[in-house]
Amino acid sequence: GQQVMQIPQYQHVQEGEDFTTYCNSSTTLSNIQWYKQRPGGHPVFLIQLVKSGEVKKQKRLTFQFGEAKKNSSLHITATQTTDVGTYFCAGPGAGGTSYGKLTFGQGTILTVHP
Amino acid sequence: DGGITQSPKYLFRKEGQNVTLSCEQNLNHDAMYWYRQDPGQGLRLIYYSQIVNDFQKGDIAEGYSVSREKKESFPLTVTSAQKNPTAFYLCASSILPTGKNSPLHFGNGTRLTVT
Repeated sequence: GQQVMQIPQYQHVQEGEDFTTYCNSSTTLSNIQWYKQRPGGHPVFLIQLVKSGEVKKQKRLTFQFGEAKKNSSLHITATQTTDVGTYFCAGPGAGGTSYGKLTFGQGTILTVHP
Repeated sequence: DGGITQSPKYLFRKEGQNVTLSCEQNLNHDAMYWYRQDPGQGLRLIYYSQIVNDFQKGDIAEGYSVSREKKESFPLTVTSAQKNPTAFYLCASSILPTGKNSPLHFGNGTRLTVT
């Protein structure tokens, strides 16, 4: 079945440093979604990428979708303590019995030291 | 305000007992999902439903059961057959099945502890 791998599992940074998490799928994805989960909270949708090679920005966050639509990355510039949390990528099933399923990566836990 | 309500927030049960987790949404979403979250393992899909009176097994359905009698409600029963039921359970909904590029809206979750 489809697998979505995410690295690194943990990342500790000093406030002001940059941060990147990478997501790789075993199959081509029609789209990829990114979520953020604050400690003790629930995942919150950040963004969706659909097109091959797509790049989207949300303030200090930059999201990329690979040309082959099998990998993606999230980059945060100049981290702040409010960026603390777990970042997940997720991709949908290709169809058939997988239609409607969203497979999540293991997540990257970001810690920001002030 | 529209949203997804999961109750209770914390739930404690003795081993061998079935327990039902509630999930209600007033977003008028068609699809609903149950995910289980364990430390270091991300979110794993238990069951999902695209329309009323229909649902499909996810990746880890063994030991769980669901029903979808109403569009707004998708309760999850953790049965005594589930070998490791202690976990954080998240309910979610979406406008359309995720194969059609719709994001998930999550509830606040239920933390189940079985001893």
